Amino acid sequence: EAGVTQSPTHLIKTRGQQATLRCSPISGHTSVYWYQQALGLGLQFLLWYDEGEERNRGNFPPRFSGRQFPNYSSELNVNALELEDSALYLCASSLGYTTDTQYFGPGTRLTVL
Amino acid sequence: AQSVAQPEDQVNVAEGNPLTVKCTYSVSGNPYLFWYVQYPNRGLQFLLKYITGDNLVKGSYGFEAEFNKSQTSFHLKKPSALVSDSALYFCAVRDINTDKLIFGTGTRLQVFP
Repeated sequence: EAGVTQSPTHLIKTRGQQATLRCSPISGHTSVYWYQQALGLGLQFLLWYDEGEERNRGNFPPRFSGRQFPNYSSELNVNALELEDSALYLCASSLGYTTDTQYFGPGTRLTVL
Repeated sequence: AQSVAQPEDQVNVAEGNPLTVKCTYSVSGNPYLFWYVQYPNRGLQFLLKYITGDNLVKGSYGFEAEFNKSQTSFHLKKPSALVSDSALYFCAVRDINTDKLIFGTGTRLQVFP
């Protein structure tokens, strides 16, 4: 069974540009979560999507947004990139129950120059 | 607010010796606790979780964790460490209100041959 996949693996942008990151969940999973792993800041929750709806977001500015498609894949958009947005962005998926495990993808390394 | 703490930034152990990576938690209500491992430039791999039931939870790659309610701890253990166990280990608690995972700061495990 295929795991969570993310694309691209690496993304290099300049300040002010927009970045789009993509995630495909494990087959059968309806919930997708996005986390940011920035150097020195640890793993921070960004967004949670379930059944196409945004269910919760972390303490990030509105320029971080996303969506979930009918096939449950998801997209994270970061507008007006800033240097401190450089991080590893991890996507996870689960069946959506509170006790269910979140399985993570390999991540997208975003570098903002 | 729910939180987890990993008091050790790094744990060093000789191959073949038992290892322990510590985690303490603070939650209101029942704790849903997880351990993940991260290898360099990779995403997070799920090791094990505690939802309810036996206090000793067995997981992947020979790891286990002991849930201790009185000490609010969920330490990760392995009877005999391997060099290949060297990685970054994260403890996490599930926030039942937002469904997000709240991660500890991580503990780097170094197993020496």
